[in-house]
Amino acid sequence: DVKVTQSSRYLVKRTGEKVFLECVQDMDHENMFWYRQDPGLGLRLIYFSYDVKMKEKGDIPEGYSVSREKKERFSLILESASTNQTSMYLCASSSIAGTGLPSTRTDTQYFGPGTRLTVL
Amino acid sequence: GEDVEQSLFLSVREGDSSVINCTYTDSSSTYLYWYKQEPGAGLQLLTYIFSNMDMKQDQRLTVLLNKKDKHLSLRIADTQTGDSAIYFCAESMTGNQFYFGTGTSLTVIP
Repeated sequence: DVKVTQSSRYLVKRTGEKVFLECVQDMDHENMFWYRQDPGLGLRLIYFSYDVKMKEKGDIPEGYSVSREKKERFSLILESASTNQTSMYLCASSSIAGTGLPSTRTDTQYFGPGTRLTVL
Repeated sequence: GEDVEQSLFLSVREGDSSVINCTYTDSSSTYLYWYKQEPGAGLQLLTYIFSNMDMKQDQRLTVLLNKKDKHLSLRIADTQTGDSAIYFCAESMTGNQFYFGTGTSLTVIP
């Protein structure tokens, strides 16, 4: 059974703190993604990674950085947390496009349970 | 990114059918997905459709794709209170980039 885990379900931090959100997948997927989810805005892509040590900016990378030192782990870093970064953060993973049905092809994204971050 | 649009809210009575609609702009999308998000949880893949298909049925779920109008819908038959959730449609061409709609919050009234 596929599994994406995130280090915390709920997190409360103060403005200016450095925040680390960790995501681990056990499916040997090449691709990993960080999204934030806000009411009425859906999911917005922050960063993604195609491979170890590779990263690409998504639609809203400002104020965030990422780290992918190992294939199974993708970290999202808020260098100096601000109140407008209060949100639900979702991690996902997928494999490179290949053949077969999406339910078996791992280009389907699998999501973690999310981390609800509150910045005071 | 590509535009994927959904209405934000839908309410139905238990036992009725629900229809959740989605429009997208990228005509080269290969796969179109429906995800379900229950309160406090991550997104769970519900079903998908290839862009060369018009319809797909999976138990109570029916996905209809009108590729000409770039319109995707999810019909839930005999809607139950456990179907109350946020439903996201998403498109992908390569499997490396996914574009999600804003999500439709479905409320099922007993």
